[in-house]
Amino acid sequence: TQLLEQSPQFLSIQEGENLTVYCNSSSVFSSLQWYRQEPGEGPVLLVTVVTGGEVKKLKRLTFQFGDARKDSSLHITAAQPGDTGLYLCAVSQGAQKLVFGQGTRLTINP
Amino acid sequence: DAMVIQNPRYQVTQFGKPVTLSCSQTLNHNVMYWYQQKSSQAPKLLFHYYDKDFNNEADTPDNFQSRRPNTSFCFLDIRSPGLGDAAMYLCATSRGIIGTEAFFGQGTRLTVV
Repeated sequence: TQLLEQSPQFLSIQEGENLTVYCNSSSVFSSLQWYRQEPGEGPVLLVTVVTGGEVKKLKRLTFQFGDARKDSSLHITAAQPGDTGLYLCAVSQGAQKLVFGQGTRLTINP
Repeated sequence: DAMVIQNPRYQVTQFGKPVTLSCSQTLNHNVMYWYQQKSSQAPKLLFHYYDKDFNNEADTPDNFQSRRPNTSFCFLDIRSPGLGDAAMYLCATSRGIIGTEAFFGQGTRLTVV
């Protein structure tokens, strides 16, 4: 059973469109992270959310942590080709173990 | 400057021939991780170290082993690579505090022929 379920797994849209991807779980977490991975590179942290209901913005990216701290969403406004990549949510199990969801592979077409 | 360095970036090995992948860090982080990532999939945790304490995932095959001789270096040994072990192997580090950032290397892409 996957601890973190991400949806959709694949998304291909046109430049300029908006999109939302989701990360869901039945477990409660003290924090949740979003990473982006580009081809041939390791994942890079985008944001950490820690408070239920928290909203964080990073330019055109908006991250929300669910009120119950079981889920999170990432919304991208006016997507650009540079947003293409694998978006991964991750949580810590204990202080040391970092576990990822399956990821959403996003393609933005010019 | 790169803070987590993996060598080599690309490794080709023969079926059944032992291979070692290396990772070094300049961050002085307590935790070092090894992940396996196959095409179009998320990284799968193989094992991690907290300082010298080794933590193996239950479903990590016995074929995979690791060594951490000091804080800065960590190695992934694949004793008898099979075709199914072809993947990107990612090393990462963190301070080992919930919610802190994990820093990844660029990965080593392993091909088994």
